[in-house]
Amino acid sequence: GENVEQHPSTLSVQEGDSAVIKCTYSDSASNYFPWYKQELGKGPQLIIDIRSNVGEKKDQRIAVTLNKTAKHFSLHITETQPEDSAVYFCAATPNRDDKIIFGKGTRLHILP
Amino acid sequence: SQTIHQWPATLVQPVGSPLSLECTVEGTSNPNLYWYRQAAGRGLQLLFYSVGIGQISSEVPQNLSASRPQDRQFILSSKKLLLSDSGFYLCAWSVLVSAFFGQGTRLTVV
Repeated sequence: GENVEQHPSTLSVQEGDSAVIKCTYSDSASNYFPWYKQELGKGPQLIIDIRSNVGEKKDQRIAVTLNKTAKHFSLHITETQPEDSAVYFCAATPNRDDKIIFGKGTRLHILP
Repeated sequence: SQTIHQWPATLVQPVGSPLSLECTVEGTSNPNLYWYRQAAGRGLQLLFYSVGIGQISSEVPQNLSASRPQDRQFILSSKKLLLSDSGFYLCAWSVLVSAFFGQGTRLTVV
């Protein structure tokens, strides 16, 4: 089955700097890679996703990149702001009826 | 638009008592449904997932069970809670691939 590894587990960056979170997956059949943001006491919220036929996707300050050959994908947050502080999860899924596999999460701290 | 309802938001239960957490989805048909548990500061542990009515897959051995009596209803239950059942329980749904989470239930077993 699919296995998703996520690094780092904790990340602190200065406000205004960029943050990068990286994930690797094991199942080459995986073709959809969402990212979630979880604020304290709330459920994770989908913030951006990428499919296997796309190498990069951007939405304002957030971008995701995918390298299918190497089986890794990354989340990039530029010009970080205090409200970016949260736990971020990557995930991978091969098809509709397979369960979504999550990474263990990255706690991002934006330092003033 | 689709919405997911999960209740209650918080729950304090004594050891040995039963548990029933309910999750319902609106605005979609035949979704995949999931129950996750999250210990404090930890990742998402998949407990159960369902691809249809009466079809439940269990991911980890435990004293919890799940049922799907209707297409858009998913229930997490226990006959006798343990201290180790404390945590943040999340219900989620997906159609095609994108998954969407409820706001969670914080369960404290005392």
